[in-house]
Amino acid sequence: DTEVTQTPKHLVMGMTNKKSLKCEQHMGHRAMYWYKQKAKKPPELMFVYSYEKLSINESVPSRFSPECPNSSLLNLHLHALQPEDSALYLCASSPGRGGVTDAFFGQGTRLTVV
Amino acid sequence: AQTVTQSQPEMSVQEAETVTLSCTYDTSESDYYLFWYKQPPSRQMILVIRQEAYKQQNATENRFSVNFQKAAKSFSLKISDSQLGDAAMYFCAYRNYGGSQGNLIFGKGTKLSVKP
Repeated sequence: DTEVTQTPKHLVMGMTNKKSLKCEQHMGHRAMYWYKQKAKKPPELMFVYSYEKLSINESVPSRFSPECPNSSLLNLHLHALQPEDSALYLCASSPGRGGVTDAFFGQGTRLTVV
Repeated sequence: AQTVTQSQPEMSVQEAETVTLSCTYDTSESDYYLFWYKQPPSRQMILVIRQEAYKQQNATENRFSVNFQKAAKSFSLKISDSQLGDAAMYFCAYRNYGGSQGNLIFGKGTKLSVKP
């Protein structure tokens, strides 16, 4: 199994809603990542979890709250988002720190904030 | 800080022909990794090819090859015998040696169209 699975694939939410994005992998990877990709732009790193601990937070607003309950699962909790937060949210995983091995990406969640 | 620049927003190639996508980068590090990722309309980022900076030999993967010029900080992707399925957004990416494998810095991308 070399997949990173993200759910849901599409999400529409109001600015007062609370929702969560889910990312799952069963490759035994110990690092997981959230990226945000606006339309026609490159992905931008938001968070990095390494061995279930948050290791990088790229100055992301607090309305985005990551959670890594175990080594296979990564969540992104959303609350009080703005329309400009509409984007594709990509999850990735990798074996761990250093080395030649690569990160695997999921297909993303297309989020629309109305 | 490291930066990655792709100067070709869009490129077009005829099926079965060869196309080269350009990428330059800036870093003060001597050891690092460079990548080309493909993002088709399905949205998933797919790794096309990886180059380790400490290797002089250019990486190749079937129809995909790179021209890595370390001194010039240039990293171009050549796609030979282009196929319709190659149509996608292509991103050049950089990663520090020793950093998390998913901590990538991407260029702005090049949209590749393949004409039948």
